[in-house]
Amino acid sequence: NAGVMQNPRHLVRRRGQEARLRCSPMKGHSHVYWYRQLPEEGLKFMVYLQKENIIDESGMPKERFSAEFPKEGPSILRIQQVVRGDSAAYFCASSAGQGTNYGYTFGSGTRLTVV
Amino acid sequence: KNEVEQSPQNLTAQEGEFITINCSYSVGISALHWLQQHPGGGIVSLFMLSSGKKKHGRLIATINIQEKHSSLHITASHPRDSAVYICAVRRGTDKLIFGTGTRLQVFP
Repeated sequence: NAGVMQNPRHLVRRRGQEARLRCSPMKGHSHVYWYRQLPEEGLKFMVYLQKENIIDESGMPKERFSAEFPKEGPSILRIQQVVRGDSAAYFCASSAGQGTNYGYTFGSGTRLTVV
Repeated sequence: KNEVEQSPQNLTAQEGEFITINCSYSVGISALHWLQQHPGGGIVSLFMLSSGKKKHGRLIATINIQEKHSSLHITASHPRDSAVYICAVRRGTDKLIFGTGTRLQVFP
């Protein structure tokens, strides 16, 4: 079990392009959280998903950002028409369940650079 | 005012020193996490606390729910402990709210 896998590790996009960030949770984990770390800032919650459902998207920007976690395959964070302000590290964490009986495992992150 | 405050923001120490990082929060939580992040690296979960104290190797974490305060201690610090230590509280739909981190440098 390789833990939470995020890919790509580094992603460069030109302004206006689309960015797709992937997160494969740990085996047996069906809860996925996405967090964003802007340069020189702390981590901020974006979205919480369970298989095929968005549970909490209160941290997602209203436009251009979307997330999914299909029945099969990784969770995808999609950013359309990227702008320079989207440059950040995006981290995914997974958990086997909800509540304090379950901890989180974090991925290594995807560093997005918009040029 | 941030819901999670950490102090100090930056900390330097000589190898072998005892280190304390503090975290205060102002909201109701279900648990508190201490995380470690190396520059350019991923995030490692060190502790999850709901009450009391936990110890793992040279790391000790404590929480006082009434005071809304937690501390992370590192005994016999080593240069490999150099990293950013992040306090995060768990609330609502189990999402985490993070402090801004404490940057620790331990010199030989």
